[in-house]
Amino acid sequence: EAGVTQFPSHSVIEKGQTVTLRCDPISGHDNLYWYRRVMGKEIKFLLHFVKESKQDESGMPNNRFLAERTGGTYSTLKVQPAELEDSGVYFCASSPDVQVSYEQYFGPGTRLTVT
Amino acid sequence: DAKTTQPPSMDCAEGRAANLPCNHSTISGNEYVYWYRQIHSQGPQYIIHGLKNNETNEMASLIITEDRKSSTLILPHATLRDTAVYYCIVRATGANSKLTFGKGITLSVRP
Repeated sequence: EAGVTQFPSHSVIEKGQTVTLRCDPISGHDNLYWYRRVMGKEIKFLLHFVKESKQDESGMPNNRFLAERTGGTYSTLKVQPAELEDSGVYFCASSPDVQVSYEQYFGPGTRLTVT
Repeated sequence: DAKTTQPPSMDCAEGRAANLPCNHSTISGNEYVYWYRQIHSQGPQYIIHGLKNNETNEMASLIITEDRKSSTLILPHATLRDTAVYYCIVRATGANSKLTFGKGITLSVRP
């Protein structure tokens, strides 16, 4: 069974540019989460999808960040325009139906560098 | 904010048991204790979770005190590949809720 995959693994962009991160959850997982770790800080929750609906977006830092999950499969996280403080590692995680598992499966992350 | 406190680091010898402590004195009755770890450059990995009883799986054991205010993760025979940052996380019932990570404890396993 394939795990959670994220693309790209690394991205280097200039301040003011746009970047789109992609996450492919484990097949059949309804729950999809985005987290990020910025330099020197803890891993922070960004948002949670259940299928295509946003269940909790309390961690989204500002309106420069837009997350989508059309069709309830893969998800994208767009940062527009990117700022220096957006640099960090962005993790995606997925989990199946709540009655089945309490574990979140994480992808390897996308390292974003804004210069 | 994280509801747990952990020492910043510890080490142990390869082959010995690693006992990682965690304090969660403000834990509520409906909150579980979860442990995850992050090996360098990888995403966090689930290890184990529990409510009030001790739990064991193929990776580790989780010992929760009777008052539930602290717990210990035990890796029975640590290997070099267990070197990682270990996170103790308190999480509300409702398995789809978010994870709140703290600073974690860095475990270094020495040969």
